[in-house]
Amino acid sequence: EAQVTQNPRYLITVTGKKLTVTCSQNMNHEYMSWYRQDPGLGLRQIYYSMNVEVTDKGDVPEGYKVSRKEKRNFPLILESPSPNQTSLYFCASSYERGRPQHFGDGTRLSIL
Amino acid sequence: GESVGLHLPTLSVQEGDNSIINCAYSNSASDYFIWYKQESGKGPQFIIDIRSNMDKRQGQRVTVLLNKTVKHLSLQIAATQPGDSAVYFCAENPYSGSARQLTFGSGTQLTVLP
Repeated sequence: EAQVTQNPRYLITVTGKKLTVTCSQNMNHEYMSWYRQDPGLGLRQIYYSMNVEVTDKGDVPEGYKVSRKEKRNFPLILESPSPNQTSLYFCASSYERGRPQHFGDGTRLSIL
Repeated sequence: GESVGLHLPTLSVQEGDNSIINCAYSNSASDYFIWYKQESGKGPQFIIDIRSNMDKRQGQRVTVLLNKTVKHLSLQIAATQPGDSAVYFCAENPYSGSARQLTFGSGTQLTVLP
């Protein structure tokens, strides 16, 4: 079954404690991206990756890092989380830019 | 950057009726549009897409209409069912030739009444 898997699904943590949200896809997709979803603001892209070792900033990259060492994995790293990063996060993948993306089921982060 | 907006944040329809969800976009350079459905607790799911060289595209129980003159997109759902209750997003690709891909609207909540 085609899947984008995110972990954890829920996390409550404190300001400044580094965290990583993992994302893995089993469709051999080249394009992967991270979004955050906030009420009234829709989905906003944080970072994207065109392929292994190729990443670039989206619309709201401040406070986030990503890496793409393998095609299937695209972790999102918050080096020093702050309360304004409390949000619902989605990872997505597609076989090429401009094609419909498959989304994971989301990770709800609460930063206290 | 350009953004995609939705006319109505909520829509309630009777089961069995047809639903129409509207979307306005502002970037005339956008050449590709997608509708997604997001159920509670899940990620968005692809419903249907349309390229700017088309006016209409039909899927199973869904039809997307594109009016480039007024920069308007609509999703029609025939014989709406309880399982259609969800948030529906339209998305556009405003960066033709770029890798930054899609810009999403904030969504319309569709509620199907028994």
